[in-house]
Amino acid sequence: GQQVMQIPQYQHVQEGEDFTTYCNSSTTLSNIQWYKQRPGGHPVFLIQLVKSGEVKKQKRLTFQFGEAKKNSSLHITATQTTDVGTYFCARSYRSKYNFNKFYFGSGTKLNVKP
Amino acid sequence: DAGITQSPRHKVTETGTPVTLRCHQTENHRYMYWYRQDPGHGLRLIHYSYGVKDTDKGEVSDGYSVSRSKTEDFLLTLESATSSQTSVYFCATGGGTPPYEQYFGPGTRLTVT
Repeated sequence: GQQVMQIPQYQHVQEGEDFTTYCNSSTTLSNIQWYKQRPGGHPVFLIQLVKSGEVKKQKRLTFQFGEAKKNSSLHITATQTTDVGTYFCARSYRSKYNFNKFYFGSGTKLNVKP
Repeated sequence: DAGITQSPRHKVTETGTPVTLRCHQTENHRYMYWYRQDPGHGLRLIHYSYGVKDTDKGEVSDGYSVSRSKTEDFLLTLESATSSQTSVYFCATGGGTPPYEQYFGPGTRLTVT
């Protein structure tokens, strides 16, 4: 019920190709967050989406939140070697103490060949 | 990056021994979290704290305990380490105000032999 499923688990692309990772939930999400973790590093917050159908862009990265708020995607245009890492989505939910806890997807590991 | 440090960064210990991991933050964030990261599982919440001395269990809390005696410190204790607790442990803070961004520490790689 609380989980978010991410696909694909791995993606290997040639530098310059596009990349998309998907995050799906069986229940309606109040919001979705995206994080990036470089190899050997720690997760770093990228963005949060809240509104149905929302689209946000950060340079070559485009984030979308589905109309039904049950799925989200992260699309990278013209990948670069600096995009290598694992991308996680995370859903938040209110704890009994009225603050946010987070469930993370299992991540999509992106490898970019130069 | 937020001022979050974790110690130790690497540890090898034997089955049955107690282990304590420390998370220290300088951001005065109220909320703190401990996660473990294993291949294929993403990040799973172990315990969290919503204030000094206020803690609660996450989804994978069995075998772990926590304490928070000061705002800046959040300790994770494995009372009797098992091989299944071999993992990378991340501390995080934040998540309290929009956009509820979490800031992660550098992680501790723990190996239980």
